[in-house]
Formats: sequence, C-alpha cells, structure tokens
Amino acid sequence: QQQVKQSPQSLIVQKGGIPIINCAYENTAFDYFPWYQQFPGKGPALLIAIRPDVSEKKEGRFTISFNKSAKQFSLHIMDSQPGDSATYFCAASMEYGNKLVFGAGTILRVKS
Amino acid sequence: EADIYQTPRYLVIGTGKKITLECSQTMGHDKMYWYQQDPGMELHLIHYSYGVNSTEKGDLSSESTVSRIRTEHFPLTLESARPSHTSQYLCASSPRGQSKNTQYFGPGTRLTVL
Repeated sequence: QQQVKQSPQSLIVQKGGIPIINCAYENTAFDYFPWYQQFPGKGPALLIAIRPDVSEKKEGRFTISFNKSAKQFSLHIMDSQPGDSATYFCAASMEYGNKLVFGAGTILRVKS
Repeated sequence: EADIYQTPRYLVIGTGKKITLECSQTMGHDKMYWYQQDPGMELHLIHYSYGVNSTEKGDLSSESTVSRIRTEHFPLTLESARPSHTSQYLCASSPRGQSKNTQYFGPGTRLTVL
C-alpha cells in the first residue's frame, strides 16, 4: 500500500498557536519523510525531513515527531505566524526509490 | 534555492490545440518529474525520468507525453487539449544518490482549456 494519509484537510489557528498536522503510512519500507510548504502561486518547497532512526527533528520553529511503531509522523509549528499560512504536504519514500508519495495536503491559516 | 523553471506560467487555450509545457533545471539533476495538482491541492505524479532517454508513466494516467533528450530539459506535450486537462502542472527535479529523494519544484504552469 503506497498511500500516505494526511489530516486535517484545513486548520485555522491564532497567531502564536501550535498547529499540528498528522500523517500516517502503511508501507514499512518507507524510510524518508519530508514535509513541503506551498504558498499560493508557487511550487512546493522542502521544509524539513526526517528518517526513522530518530523520533524528533527540529529546524527553527518547525518540528517533526516520528512514531515508527505507529507508522505516524506529524509536523508542529511553534509560535505560528501569519506568514506560515500555506498548504503543507507530508510525503514518504524508500531510500533508493525514485518517487515520493504525497499526502493530500493541509491548508493552514494563521490569524493575526 | 533550486533553479528550476517552467514556462509558460499561465496558459489559456482552446480545445483541440497542441501544447507543450516547458521545464528546465540548471542543477544537473538526473531525476525529473511532472505532477498534476488539483484545485483540491492533491499532487498526482503523471511522468518521471531517471535520466536522458528514460521516461516512465506515473501513478495517475495522463494523455500527455514527455521526452528527455537533454539532462536539463523535460517538456510535457498534450497533442489535443481538452477541458478535462485544465489543471496546475508542476515540474520537479531530484539529484541522484545524495539527499535521497528531496525534490525541488518549479513554480508551476496553470493551464485552462476552454
């Protein structure tokens, strides 16, 4: 099963809040899990990525939490800002694979 | 910042016309991809290439075709455009080996077929 399931579909938070976006996968061969951020009129851009040998990775205000046994991973945005309003995609792939499997996307709006 | 370019950015065209969407990257990446993105956001892989003279169909069936004659260039062609082809088309590239499957996306072409 190649699918990656992402939730919620949309999310509204107040400035300073901590939005959390969740993803779940089935294929245990996946070992690379990136998150992409897309602004209107632009292509997706890599935000942060994790491999299953660690349970958490932080880059600035963005944190990925990874639960290998549950086959789930999530994105947390600390101290969210209106400039973080965008569509976020999780994805997964195999180390030597050629394709990324994307989640359906989450539209985040941070209210000022 | 990745250097991947798509032209045109917007295209409005009549039914039955032949169109080519251009994608070029200056990073020397071996792998390139075309995605179709619905208004509902989801990204669907329609074509990919491992290198020159290599092309494969993606997960979503598409009436488009692609070619890879040069490493840096991966154009997508629709022989006869239809309203059902109206969508956003995103091109991406990825280096072989290092950085695993990090894909760098272009800005997209928004196609409207009347």
